[in-house]
Amino acid sequence: DTEVTQTPKHLVMGMTNKKSLKCEQHMGHRAMYWYKQKAKKPPELMFVYSYEKLSINESVPSRFSPECPNSSLLNLHLHALQPEDSALYLCASSQDPGETQYFGPGTRLLVL
Amino acid sequence: ELKVEQNPLFLSMQEGKNYTIYCNYSTTSDRLYWYRQDPGKSLESLFVLLSNGAVKQEGRLMASLDTKARLSTLHITAAVHDLSATYFCAVDRDNDMRFGAGTRLTVKP
Repeated sequence: DTEVTQTPKHLVMGMTNKKSLKCEQHMGHRAMYWYKQKAKKPPELMFVYSYEKLSINESVPSRFSPECPNSSLLNLHLHALQPEDSALYLCASSQDPGETQYFGPGTRLLVL
Repeated sequence: ELKVEQNPLFLSMQEGKNYTIYCNYSTTSDRLYWYRQDPGKSLESLFVLLSNGAVKQEGRLMASLDTKARLSTLHITAAVHDLSATYFCAVDRDNDMRFGAGTRLTVKP
């Protein structure tokens, strides 16, 4: 298995909802990442997990809560989001921290 | 703070001609990447450049790195339509990845 998978592909949620994004890889990669990408903009790094521990948190609001249950899984828990949080959320993984990152297909999120 | 600048931001290319995209960055880095993104899709890794003078080629694309000038170039040879996409350079420093704004390429016959 040589890919990063993300579910769901699309998500529509209200500002009072709680939802989670899921990312999975079975390549034995030890680093996993969450990015946010607004339309026609570059991806922005949100979180980095290295060996299942949070190593970078780019001053992301607390309404985004990452979780790494094991080395293959990465979740992003969403609560009380704002319409401006609507974006494509990309997960990536790399063999080790700092090595080439491989991106999943993304979850397109719309907050109403 | 690590900053990454790409230019041009838009590039309209004629088939068969050669073009170059430039990527400048502000501080020393560990690695430099080039990614391709098709509309509505995720990012595809093209190249990773690790050291000064590194050059990598794949098909019509060639990337190079000059760490002293903090500059990478992506050279396109004899553009064809299927190269139309957005190309990002990204710089990794201490596992903190920063992307350039992206260059939107379109190839016209």
